[in-house]
Parts: sequence; C-alpha cells; structure tokens
Amino acid sequence: GESVGLHLPTLSVQEGDNSIINCAYSNSASDYFIWYKQESGKGPQFIIDIRSNMDKRQGQRVTVLLNKTVKHLSLQIAATQPGDSAVYFCAEKGSGGSNYKLTFGKGTLLTVNP
Amino acid sequence: EAQVTQNPRYLITVTGKKLTVTCSQNMNHEYMSWYRQDPGLGLRQIYYSMNVEVTDKGDVPEGYKVSRKEKRNFPLILESPSPNQTSLYFCASSLQVGSNEQFFGPGTRLTVL
Repeated sequence: GESVGLHLPTLSVQEGDNSIINCAYSNSASDYFIWYKQESGKGPQFIIDIRSNMDKRQGQRVTVLLNKTVKHLSLQIAATQPGDSAVYFCAEKGSGGSNYKLTFGKGTLLTVNP
Repeated sequence: EAQVTQNPRYLITVTGKKLTVTCSQNMNHEYMSWYRQDPGLGLRQIYYSMNVEVTDKGDVPEGYKVSRKEKRNFPLILESPSPNQTSLYFCASSLQVGSNEQFFGPGTRLTVL
C-alpha cells in the first residue's frame, strides 16, 4: 500500500555540522514531496517542497533531493544550529483527484548538540 | 497576526462525555483539516473540508464529527469519547485546496479516562 516512512527515527549532530534526514516513499504517483518541521510544543511548519519532476531544490540552508529510482527523499540542512532541533516530517501529496491530501511519515527527531 | 487557533489546548475528560475542540483561522483559507498525532504513527488525517459546508472523511474518521458552517471555523466533535482517542490533535488550514503549505494550530492534548 501507499506509505511514507523514515530510515532513521533519531539523528544527533554537532552544531555547525550538516544534517541529512532521509525518507522513503512508495507511491510513485505522488505529485509533490514536502518537508515539515515540528518544534517541541508546536504544530508542524512547512519548510520546503519539491515537485516529482525535479531532482533537487534549494532553500535557505536546506536542500531537498529526490531520487525517484529508489523512491528516496532527503532533507539536507547546512551548518545545523540549535534552533534546528525538532522533529522533521516528510509528506507526499497525491495527484489529480487526491491533490488535496498530504500523507505524513512518522518523523525523525533531530537533536543539535552545542 | 495570521494564525490558526485551537481551544482548549489541554483537556482531560471521561469516557462518553461529549466534547468539542474548536479551530479558527483568520487567513480566509479555503481548506481546513484535522489530524491526530500519536507516538510512532506520525500525523493522520481525521477529516477535512474543501470549503463551507463541504467536509469529508480522512484516514481515521471513526468516532469524530466535524462541521464547516463558516469559512473560518472547523470544530472537531467527539460525541462519545473513548480512551483510544487520547491523542494530540492539530487543526490545519491552507489557502487553497491542494496547497503544499498547510498552517497548523498549536495543538490540543486530549486525555480520555
């Protein structure tokens, strides 16, 4: 069935290092893949998205890579800061008649050590 | 300030006692949705609404009801709460149906004894 999952449930990095958060997906028909950040005690917050016809998209300190061959998505955070500590969710959005629906993965906890 | 608000933020109740969690957004968003978040299961969609008077079931709708009588409000109703509905609930909205960016409320932590 359709699913969005994560390779690593937790990731601990040193401040200033780069972080890579991974996500596997199974629905090849998804139109977009999206990353959300959830800080402790708050609701998820949109970070960046990538359309299924792209391989890479860059934002401010973040880069999304999409490998459709192996159905893998990653979020790279450059020069990780303590404020990046959060749970990161990947989500996929359906296409056509399902384009309203986001299916979220289970999340990865990123801890940044000072 | 543009935001999604939920009330209450915390609630402890007993089995069978009807409750409503309110959700309101001030951004004139078309799409609204309710999710529950449970450890190890991520965010799962309960119900969504594409516009006023248009609602539909998400992935886990059993035991819940919603209504969308006004564009800004999307209350979640538990007619007869049970312990398995103990969870963290999030309301979200987006400008249009199909937007990738959803704006989430701060969450409501519900405990059903």
